[in-house]
Amino acid sequence: EVQLVEAGGGLVQPGGSLRLSCAVSGLTVSSSYMNWVRQAPGKGLEWVSVLYSGGSTYYADSVQGRFTISRDSAKNTLFLQMNSLRAEDTAIYYCARQADVVGPLSWGQGTLVTVSS
Amino acid sequence: SYVLTQPPSVSVAPGKTATMTCGGDNIGSRSVHWYQQKAGQAPVLVIFYDIDRPSGIPERYSGSNSGNTATLTITRVEAGDEADYYCQVWDSINDHRVFGGGTKLTVL
Repeated sequence: EVQLVEAGGGLVQPGGSLRLSCAVSGLTVSSSYMNWVRQAPGKGLEWVSVLYSGGSTYYADSVQGRFTISRDSAKNTLFLQMNSLRAEDTAIYYCARQADVVGPLSWGQGTLVTVSS
Repeated sequence: SYVLTQPPSVSVAPGKTATMTCGGDNIGSRSVHWYQQKAGQAPVLVIFYDIDRPSGIPERYSGSNSGNTATLTITRVEAGDEADYYCQVWDSINDHRVFGGGTKLTVL
């Protein structure tokens, strides 16, 4: 059974940094297309970033230059380094896996990030 | 960037059929996936590659995709179907994943 377990969320001040992790079991992170998707309170789903099995990375315009997606193959874990955080980054962040580039997403349970002073 | 448009809300009586649309430029040429999200829970896949159902999803759920509109249909609607529904595609121009704004299904 595939499991995605996010961690690292919390309260951070505007301008601060936070690193989210997604521990994966049942599949290999390095052979999948791994995504981060977020959902602001009361809002819809917003795609954030993807890391391809070959190492390519892509970001939504709203986080480009501030967020970095990466993985640790030995730990089978996905990360999202978030810098220069803003109030509008407040959201539940979901880790989601795709088997291929056009395929559907399989989701973790999410971790809440709150950016506030 | 590619845009998906969903009606904000759909209401249906129990036992009736709910139809939710997802509009996009020539969306019929893309693979569309649909997710159900109940309050306080993570999204769950209900239709993938336009028409396929994951195991465990009732046959009451079906999908179609043609032209500029993809459609999620739920027949014999039950109270437990009440949720937000999102469509999603891959934008090959910039390798982004794109979500529609979501439709809130209310069972009257």
